[in-house]
Amino acid sequence: NAGVMQNPRHLVRRRGQEARLRCSPMKGHSHVYWYRQLPEEGLKFMVYLQKENIIDESGMPKERFSAEFPKEGPSILRIQQVVRGDSAAYFCASSVNGGSGTEAFFGQGTRLTVV
Amino acid sequence: QKEVEQNSGPLSVPEGAIASLNCTYSDRGSQSFFWYRQYSGKSPELIMFIYSNGDKEDGRFTAQLNKASQYVSLLIRDSQPSDSATYLCAVNSPSNTGKLIFGQGTTLQVKP
Repeated sequence: NAGVMQNPRHLVRRRGQEARLRCSPMKGHSHVYWYRQLPEEGLKFMVYLQKENIIDESGMPKERFSAEFPKEGPSILRIQQVVRGDSAAYFCASSVNGGSGTEAFFGQGTRLTVV
Repeated sequence: QKEVEQNSGPLSVPEGAIASLNCTYSDRGSQSFFWYRQYSGKSPELIMFIYSNGDKEDGRFTAQLNKASQYVSLLIRDSQPSDSATYLCAVNSPSNTGKLIFGQGTTLQVKP
């Protein structure tokens, strides 16, 4: 039973390029969450998605960032025109269902470096 | 005031001792509380969750919740050097979407 799979594990982008981060949830999980961890900081919620729906994007920057979770395939976090401040570890978590008390399991993360 | 607060540490304990990690939260509507362990450069790993006031034990770990004081703690008995990591306290969002609000984490060092 594979866990949450994220790829790539490491991603280097030049300023102005696009970054695409992928997340496949655990088998049987239909709820996906994206978090960002800046160096020496805690995890910050970005967005919560179910298949084909964005449930909560209150933590997502208004510009350059978008997320999707299509009917088929992984969830994608997309960052357009990356800047140095986007350098961080991006973690995806998945759960069986949403709501209070849901146990979420994390993937290994994608470490984005913007040069 | 931060929504979830932890002392960043480092908390240093000798091998075999009890490590006590503390967390306070600001929103009284919070319902679920989680402890994650994160080794340097790795992803968070869920180790405990608690929903009701009182204690919950799982092996060497005990989670304690006091909703009146808005306080949750994690005790690690017989601490081992392999327990050295950052421990993240997470609180379920009052909006009930399953979103977690994390503290900054407490770094634990267990010295042999």
